[in-house]
Amino acid sequence: QLQLQESGPGLVKPSETLSLTCTVSGGSISSSSYYWGWIRQPPGKGLEWIGSIYYSGNTYYSPSLKSRVTISVDTSKNQFSLKLSSVTAADTAVYYCARVWLQWFYFDYWGQGTLVTVSS
Amino acid sequence: DIQMTQSPSSLSASVGDRVTITCRASQSISSYLSWYLQRPGKAPKVLIYGASSVQGGVPSRFSGSGSGTDFTLTISSLQPEDFATYYCQQSYSTPWTFGQGTKVEIK
Repeated sequence: QLQLQESGPGLVKPSETLSLTCTVSGGSISSSSYYWGWIRQPPGKGLEWIGSIYYSGNTYYSPSLKSRVTISVDTSKNQFSLKLSSVTAADTAVYYCARVWLQWFYFDYWGQGTLVTVSS
Repeated sequence: DIQMTQSPSSLSASVGDRVTITCRASQSISSYLSWYLQRPGKAPKVLIYGASSVQGGVPSRFSGSGSGTDFTLTISSLQPEDFATYYCQQSYSTPWTFGQGTKVEIK
């Protein structure tokens, strides 16, 4: 059974960089059938796609966040990571990692999510 | 960006009711439409992909239809565990976007 687990600091100061890692178990991140992605959800609000990455390193980012986002992959550790720079309180959210099935580009497996609060 | 608009934003229903939620895209997205269920404090879970294909393990009371710009999620007989928030998502073009959500509450 595929599992995804987010990890990283739960509190980040304004103007600093948010860093999260998603560890994939029960399957290979190097599969040619999937992308891997990050989605966030501010408290009480809806879902926002941040970006996605292929095991080769090919990335797609949301234009609204592109200037601040970097997503990378480490196939040796079966992990992919998110960095979001210059954070503000508006970046406070539950951050989810998920697998994207390439045939229809939908999120078929999700991590449990991790709350990141931006506050001094 | 393609805008996804769900209606209604919320609804009240009883166990056993037939429930329909609609999702409209701001431009044609072919059949690149998925539906997710999210219970409080939990990650979303996919129900439908490709507008009408039911994800493995999802009960048969869930069905999806539509193509182009107008889509529908139907729950044929609402069960207690179905009271949650539902989101549609387009994957026709990046940035992939979600609807604002439809909260299904107990009447």
